[in-house]
Amino acid sequence: SQQGEEDPQALSIQEGENATMNCSYKTSINNLQWYRQNSGRGLVHLILIRSNEREKHSGRLRVTLDTSKKSSSLLITASRAADTASYFCATAPLARYSTLTFGKGTMLLVSP
Amino acid sequence: GAVVSQHPSWVICKSGTSVKIECRSLDFQATTMFWYRQFPKQSLMLMATSNEGSKATYEQGVEKDKFLINHASLTLSTLTVTSAHPEDSSFYICSAPGLAGNEQFFGPGTRLTVL
Repeated sequence: SQQGEEDPQALSIQEGENATMNCSYKTSINNLQWYRQNSGRGLVHLILIRSNEREKHSGRLRVTLDTSKKSSSLLITASRAADTASYFCATAPLARYSTLTFGKGTMLLVSP
Repeated sequence: GAVVSQHPSWVICKSGTSVKIECRSLDFQATTMFWYRQFPKQSLMLMATSNEGSKATYEQGVEKDKFLINHASLTLSTLTVTSAHPEDSSFYICSAPGLAGNEQFFGPGTRLTVL
């Protein structure tokens, strides 16, 4: 079952602006991951945050995790047209941490 | 980084035929691989976990006899869609976990269209 729910479903911004996507989940997790998917392609791993971490950075990406609210956010700063893609959060449940449950995704469109 | 390939990248077949999709880990060994299905503009649904040398573990609601999985070596898993029907048309993606077992490396996907 899909336990991750991303919000918003779609986001349209201009180059240079920041993009924030949120993800909520239902069960206890080992870690939460964010992936990116260009149209008709496979997924690319962006960043992983463990359940005992609250914030993590990687380049222009910033991820937060609030386990008390069972939510996470992905911030992309200074967006570029090349960031246009769908972004998915995926949770690794405590009981089956080797598997991933994906959310519905946010479609991000960055206009030049 | 770890690379996972899939073949074919797309396939069109007639209803009733069987289609085999290969998933290979190119520069690492994978005792476990995962098969997902993705409908247009929707999320990935885990279909099954492929285990090298043993039976695959299927998710609830996925027909084992319909989607045959074989993990014959440490670098190859195959998914065979048997007696395919138009409703099986979808994007099938495989993945393999990295050494740490946390992040997954995804193949580029296979677009299956059943006429």
